[in-house]
Amino acid sequence: AQSVTQLDSQVPVFEEAPVELRCNYSSSVSVYLFWYVQYPNQGLQLLLKYLSGSTLVKGINGFEAEFNKSQTSFHLRKPSVHISDTAEYFCAVNRKSTGNQFYFGTGTSLTVIP
Amino acid sequence: NAGVTQTPKFQVLKTGQSMTLQCAQDMNHNSMYWYRQDPGMGLRLIYYSASEGTTDKGEVPNGYNVSRLNKREFSLRLESAAPSQTSVYFCASSDGRTVNTGELFFGEGSRLTVL
Repeated sequence: AQSVTQLDSQVPVFEEAPVELRCNYSSSVSVYLFWYVQYPNQGLQLLLKYLSGSTLVKGINGFEAEFNKSQTSFHLRKPSVHISDTAEYFCAVNRKSTGNQFYFGTGTSLTVIP
Repeated sequence: NAGVTQTPKFQVLKTGQSMTLQCAQDMNHNSMYWYRQDPGMGLRLIYYSASEGTTDKGEVPNGYNVSRLNKREFSLRLESAAPSQTSVYFCASSDGRTVNTGELFFGEGSRLTVL
């Protein structure tokens, strides 16, 4: 079975400071990894994904994430946050062998302080 | 472009009442999903439909039924609502060829309260 752990439920950070949102997963099979973002009162949007190849992936709005197989982690980073980055961020995994069940973490609420 | 449209956006029910959440997508996607989002629980899959004419249970299907009415529409029905079903419900869709790659498109959600 898959599980996704987002260690931080809330992360406050000052504007223009760097941020890292942590995600660890457990799986006995190969997985694809994703970060989704949810702005207030909206649905989720795909931020970035790791399928294969380079372990550093870049997404929209200046975010990037690094896949670390040995540590089973997929942490999300941004070097300088903006007020508009205030949102809920979800890490998710999907088994490579099947495609229909995404397993989501419990989410991290990022609040950017002016 | 509408994308994925859910109705209603808000609903309050009494315990035991029934209701149907409607979802429609205009992207010609094969696969559709219903998730529920609860505080501290993330998103959990209720049911999905890999293609028109098929439906399968997800992680938390008890108390729900679904209908894939046609390729565009996928409805979620609560036959006898319970307070534990108070949640925000999201419909999502994907092109069946890219479902593995995470290309899920979500609606804006339906907030349901059961008293």
